[in-house]
Amino acid sequence: QVHLEQSGAEVKPPGASVKISCKASGYTVSHYDIHWVRQAPGQGPEWMGLVHPGGGRIVYAQKFRDRVTMTRDTSTNTVYMHLSSLRSDDTAVYYCAREVVAQGSDSFDIWGQGTLVTVSS
Amino acid sequence: DIQMTQSPSSLSASVGDRVTFTCRASQTITNSLNWYQQKPGKAPKLLISAVSTLQSGVPSRFSGGGSGADFTLTITSLQPEDFATYYCHQSDSTPYTFGQGTKLGI
Repeated sequence: QVHLEQSGAEVKPPGASVKISCKASGYTVSHYDIHWVRQAPGQGPEWMGLVHPGGGRIVYAQKFRDRVTMTRDTSTNTVYMHLSSLRSDDTAVYYCAREVVAQGSDSFDIWGQGTLVTVSS
Repeated sequence: DIQMTQSPSSLSASVGDRVTFTCRASQTITNSLNWYQQKPGKAPKLLISAVSTLQSGVPSRFSGGGSGADFTLTITSLQPEDFATYYCHQSDSTPYTFGQGTKLGI
């Protein structure tokens, strides 16, 4: 069964960093990009970037480029998202999602369960 | 960045109704437009990709349309499980962006 399993909730003080994992299973991991999307309370989703588990392609949204690092461990089919210099407005649920391409459109067909990150002193 | 504007922001309807949501992009985005359904506490679920391609397992009462910068999601004969928030999403260019959602309530 195709599945993305994320690490658990985190509470961090302002200025700290957080690293979230996303373990893929049930499909050939190297064939699909994994994206990171976050959703603040009551807001729409916000795209942060993507990483290709099987190769070197990584793309970050400009908004996060100086604070985010996305990495992969091919031996465990796991991708990671590290966000530094946390602020209160980084409080959100963070999702990883698998990209599929059909009729020329990229979409996210499988999502992790989400990881709540709370930034609070 | 391409801005996605959804309307209305919320909508009240009844079981059996037909409803249509709209999504407008700030520029032409070809067919790279997707729709997701989200229920409280859950991850978004892909309903429609590439404007009008229904995902496997999604009921045929859902349909998508539009072109250029204006797109729609229609649900015919609403069922109780359809009450949720719906988001459009453009993947024409990075940064990919989502609309702010339409909350469908009873």
